Order: sequence, then structure tokens, then C-alpha cells
Amino acid sequence: QVQLQESGPGLVKPSETLSLTCTVSGDSISSHYWSWIRQPPGKGLEWIGYIYYSGSTNYNPSLKSRVTISVDTSKNQFSLKLSSVTAADTAVYYCARDTYTYGQNWFDPWGQGTLVTVSS
Amino acid sequence: DIQVTQSPSSLSASVGDRVTITCRASQSITNYLNWYQQKPGKAPKLLIYAASILQSGVPSRFSGSGSGTDFTLTISSLQPEDFATYYCQQSYSTPRTFGGGTKVEIK
Repeated sequence: QVQLQESGPGLVKPSETLSLTCTVSGDSISSHYWSWIRQPPGKGLEWIGYIYYSGSTNYNPSLKSRVTISVDTSKNQFSLKLSSVTAADTAVYYCARDTYTYGQNWFDPWGQGTLVTVSS
Repeated sequence: DIQVTQSPSSLSASVGDRVTITCRASQSITNYLNWYQQKPGKAPKLLIYAASILQSGVPSRFSGSGSGTDFTLTISSLQPEDFATYYCQQSYSTPRTFGGGTKVEIK
């Protein structure tokens, strides 16, 4: 059974960098694309970006200037860095497998999510 | 970016009711449309991909249809465990985008 687990600080100060890691178990990170998605409290879902094991990335243009997603195949992990955060970046951050099959793609499974609050 | 609009944003229904949620894309996305269910405090769960294919393990009372710009998610007979928020998501192009969600509440 594939499982994803997010980890990282739950509180980040404004203007600093948010850093999260997603650890994948039950599947090789070298087999798929992997995405970060966030959800502000009480609001909808926003896709942040994805990474392939080769290091190829694709970011949401709305966040592109502040986002870096990286992968560590030796640890079966991928990571998110979001710089210059503000209160608007407060959200539950999810990692998910970006499954591609027969030309289609979807997010499954998802990690449980981790709440990151931006506050001084 | 492709905009995805869901309606209604919320609805009240009773156990046993047939429920339909619609999703409209701002341009044709052929069948690149997925549906997710999210319960409070939990991560979204994939229900349907490629507009109409039921994810393994998802009850058959859920179904999806549509192509081009207009899509529907139907729950044929609402069960107590189906009260949740439902999201559609287009996978035709990046950035991937989600609908605003439909909250299904108990009447």
C-alpha cells in the first residue's frame, strides 16, 4: 500500500521560507510524478507544482517565482520550499502522487496533510 | 489557465436521494476531468478519473459523465458516509486547477 507522509515546521515567520518534505513508502519515487497541493483553511485546493524523479519540474505560475520542488531518490522523498511567505500562505499542505496512465493523470494517493501557519 | 466552475457550491439532501454535481471548464478538456471527495480534516480521496472511470474500491453508486466542457458527478442513492465536499479537477493542462467544491450536507 502506497503511503505519503508530510513533515516540517508547523509555524513559519513572515518573509521566511517554508520547507516541507514528503516521504513515500510502498512505491518507488522513481516511477511517477509527485505533486504538492495546498488548501487554505476553509477554502479550496490549489496545485503548487510537480516533480519527476529525474528532477524535471512544473510549477503553478501563480507561485513559480517563490517555489522550489526537489527530489531525493536515495531517501524516496521529495521536498517543497516556498520563499518569502505571508499570511496568505497559511494552509494545509498535501503531497500526492501524480499518477499518469493511458495518457490521463490524477492525484492518488494523498498524504494526510500538514498545517503550516505563517505568523510572527 | 483553465478555469473550472462547480455548481452548486452547497446542497442539502436526504439519505437515499439522487445527487448531481456539475463542473464546467472554461475550454474543452475532452475527458481530462477527475473527481475527489473530502471529509473534514482529511485529505481528498480520488473517486473518478478520466471523467467516468471509477477508482478501484469506490462504491458503484458514484458515477461520472461528460466531455468537452461540461461534466457531472452523480450519487445514485446518497448514503450517510457520502456527506462531504466534492471537488472536480482538470488534468488537461498545467497549471492543474480545481473547482471550488460542492458541500453535500444532511437535510
